[in-house]
Amino acid sequence: GQQVMQIPQYQHVQEGEDFTTYCNSSTTLSNIQWYKQRPGGHPVFLIQLVKSGEVKKQKRLTFQFGEAKKNSSLHITATQTTDVGTYFCAGQTLTGGFKTIFGAGTRLFVKA
Amino acid sequence: EAGVTQSPTHLIKTRGQQATLRCSPISGHTSVYWYQQALGLGLQFLLWYDEGEERNRGNFPPRFSGRQFPNYSSELNVNALELEDSALYLCASSDGTGEDIQYFGAGTRLSVL
Repeated sequence: GQQVMQIPQYQHVQEGEDFTTYCNSSTTLSNIQWYKQRPGGHPVFLIQLVKSGEVKKQKRLTFQFGEAKKNSSLHITATQTTDVGTYFCAGQTLTGGFKTIFGAGTRLFVKA
Repeated sequence: EAGVTQSPTHLIKTRGQQATLRCSPISGHTSVYWYQQALGLGLQFLLWYDEGEERNRGNFPPRFSGRQFPNYSSELNVNALELEDSALYLCASSDGTGEDIQYFGAGTRLSVL
């Protein structure tokens, strides 16, 4: 079946280091969304990418959607302790009916 | 504007009992999604309701069921509870346009003893 794989599962960084999480789909996506879940919280929508090759930035966060619309990445420049949490990608596809498939998430730990 | 609200916040049950979880979507949203998140793990898709109908279902046994009411609120029912059903159950709502954003509630923490 359709899958969205996300790596790495965990990432420990020193504050100020960069961080990247990658998302790969087994099928072409119509769009991809990114969510952040703080420890003890619930997922909160960050951004949606729709176009092939699209790049969007939110302050220190850079989101990319691959040319084939099958992969995406989230890059954080100069991490801060406030970046701690789990980052989920969610791929949406219209194949066989509308579906949203969440990746397993990447848990980011930031050491001050 | 009120966000997605879920009740109860915490629910403690014993094996074999039934649990009912409730979700009120954001006003104007017609789609409701249910997810199970076991401790420290990812989001497992349970159910999607839109306009009162079940649109999609995840890979869960039939004892997980639900419904959506005319006011678009939703219930998730879990029958014959098992210990491994202990998890955070998250509800999300969207405006039902398909390629849309999901807004999550704070969840119901279900503990099965």
